[in-house]
Amino acid sequence: QQQVKQSPQSLIVQKGGIPIINCAYENTAFDYFPWYQQFPGKGPALLIAIRPDVSEKKEGRFTISFNKSAKQFSLHIMDSQPGDSATYFCAAQTGANNLFFGTGTRLTVIP
Amino acid sequence: DVKVTQSSRYLVKRTGEKVFLECVQDMDHENMFWYRQDPGLGLRLIYFSYDVKMKEKGDIPEGYSVSREKKERFSLILESASTNQTSMYLCASTSLAGGPETQYFGPGTRLLVL
Repeated sequence: QQQVKQSPQSLIVQKGGIPIINCAYENTAFDYFPWYQQFPGKGPALLIAIRPDVSEKKEGRFTISFNKSAKQFSLHIMDSQPGDSATYFCAAQTGANNLFFGTGTRLTVIP
Repeated sequence: DVKVTQSSRYLVKRTGEKVFLECVQDMDHENMFWYRQDPGLGLRLIYFSYDVKMKEKGDIPEGYSVSREKKERFSLILESASTNQTSMYLCASTSLAGGPETQYFGPGTRLLVL
């Protein structure tokens, strides 16, 4: 059973566009929601994360929007660049060991 | 910078072989994890360890075992490799500072079982 549902599976945008990746969860015990970015041949790396007591977090061109009542959160990439082309994973975590990943979104940004 | 290294980037093994995947981290992290990554399924937890000689099953432990004899090293063992274990294997580590902590990943080992 997938604890975190992620969509879309793949996404193609033009340079400068704003790709949006959506995730949903059911377990209200989750208290930390990280996003990981993975380039080909590399392991995932933490990109940005949010806790459920805030509705939005922004770091550079990356923004997480969090809707606690709907149990949904999303990643927006402003002014996307070809270098942002990667696979993005949302995740939900409770405690140090219980991290559940979404299925991933492969983003392609066309120059 | 945290560094998590995995012994091999690519491995090709035959069905029935015993396979060892090694992971080493240099940040004195207490927790270490093994995941497998498959297209359309994301990352799934195989095993994790919160201390030397301690281990806990994750979501998909069948066909795998682990060993943690030293704090910095966590090994994944495929006792008898099967073709359905062809996958990307990722090791991660995190500290036990309390509450959610960032997991740091190695580059992965792509295993092909023929």
